[in-house]
Amino acid sequence: GNSVTQMEGPVTLSEEAFLTINCTYTATGYPSLFWYVQYPGEGLQLLLKATKADDKGSNKGFEATYRKETTSFHLEKGSVQVSDSAVYFCALNAVLGSQGNLIFGKGTKLSVKP
Amino acid sequence: GAGVSQSPRYKVTKRGQDVALRCDPISGHVSLYWYRQALGQGPEFLTYFNYEAQQDKSGLPNDRFSAERPEGSISTLTIQRTEQRDSAMYRCASTKANKREIGETQYFGPGTRLLVL
Repeated sequence: GNSVTQMEGPVTLSEEAFLTINCTYTATGYPSLFWYVQYPGEGLQLLLKATKADDKGSNKGFEATYRKETTSFHLEKGSVQVSDSAVYFCALNAVLGSQGNLIFGKGTKLSVKP
Repeated sequence: GAGVSQSPRYKVTKRGQDVALRCDPISGHVSLYWYRQALGQGPEFLTYFNYEAQQDKSGLPNDRFSAERPEGSISTLTIQRTEQRDSAMYRCASTKANKREIGETQYFGPGTRLLVL
């Protein structure tokens, strides 16, 4: 079946550090891939997405590249800020098995210290 | 409205009581999804509506859970005879698309945190 595995947190970084949150997936067909973010006290927001292999999604300094050969969609940011502290969820939706429904990883909590 | 809204934001109930959770999607969005999120987990799909039609309820855990969207806008998720294991965050999302589409962005509400004592 379709599934998403992301690195467990919590992740604690100092301001301006480099961030990587790993995400790998299992899916039938050709899924679209997403990163959602949940800031404290708020709902889930789309951070970025990629709909086909080799696409790069980017937003707010975050990037992730859809790698079909490694079934990965790792989230990166070159210099994190305190305001990036949040829980990050990797997700997919796939043609087969769960069409249109998002399948999420467990989430990775990021804390950025000044 | 400007975004997806859900009410109540918090609900504490006693085991055995019925609860109704409301979702008001973004104006003009025709597809609506319900998800449930346990603590420390990602959201899991419950059910999907296209306009007023419930087209997929494969994620509803048992027959105590039901949902409706009678006029194709506001949706209500009802849990009958609540149990402690029903405690979770319940999230609603909507999309513009009039069918489930791969890659379509889902816009989420703030969620309803349900605690069953």
